[in-house]
Amino acid sequence: RKEVEQDPGPFNVPEGATVAFNCTYSNSASQSFFWYRQDCRKEPKLLMSVYSSGNEDGRFTAQLNRASQYISLLIRDSKLSDSATYLCVVNLPNTNAGKSTFGDGTTLTVKP
Amino acid sequence: GAVVSQHPSRVICKSGTSVKIECRSLDFQATTMFWYRQFPKQSLMLMATSNEGSKATYEQGVEKDKFLINHASLTLSTLTVTSAHPEDSSFYICSARPGTGPDTQYFGPGTRLTVL
Repeated sequence: RKEVEQDPGPFNVPEGATVAFNCTYSNSASQSFFWYRQDCRKEPKLLMSVYSSGNEDGRFTAQLNRASQYISLLIRDSKLSDSATYLCVVNLPNTNAGKSTFGDGTTLTVKP
Repeated sequence: GAVVSQHPSRVICKSGTSVKIECRSLDFQATTMFWYRQFPKQSLMLMATSNEGSKATYEQGVEKDKFLINHASLTLSTLTVTSAHPEDSSFYICSARPGTGPDTQYFGPGTRLTVL
C-alpha cells in the first residue's frame, strides 16, 4: 500500500463545475498536510495547507480528517486555468527529518 | 517571498560527463533542502535530504557516490550527477524549507537533464 494515495483521475469537467479530490495517508504520525498544484513540465506550487478545522481560500476548500487519515480538496466554479495535476503532500514530524511524501497526483482538465 | 532558484534549467550532455545543479533560497535561510527526481507521468521521488553543514541523507536505492550533494550554506545546495548515463535523464527538482515557521516546502523551477 502506498503511503499517500490519490485518485489519479483524470477528471474532465466543464467550466463552472465543482470537483472534489480525495487523498488518504497511511502513517498516523504524519504531522502536516498540503495540496500542491503542478502544471505540465513545471515545479509544484503550494496551493494551500490543510488543517483539521478546514480552510478555505477563494474557490478552494481543504479539509483534514485525522481519524480517517483522509484529506480532501474541493474546487468550486472551476476555471480553465485550474487544469493541472493536484498533489497531496504529507509531512512526517521533524523527528523523521520532516520528510514529505507525495501522492501520485490527480489530473484535472477543465473544458469550455 | 519564499523564492527558490535552480540553475541550470536545462542540460543536455554526453554520457559519462558530470552535471552540477545549484539550488538557492533567495529570500530565506533554509536549514533543510530536498532533492527530488520526477520521471514523465510519475510523481516526485525524494532522492535525498540535505542539511546545512552535515552529510546528506539518501533515500533507499539512491547511490550517494553517483549523486553528490553539498549544502555548504544556508542558501545553497548543489547536486552533482557524476558520470551521467541516459537512464539518469529526468526532471530534477529541489525544494527548501525555512528554518523557522511552518514546515512548508518551496520548490525550485527544476532542471531538465537529458543525457545522450
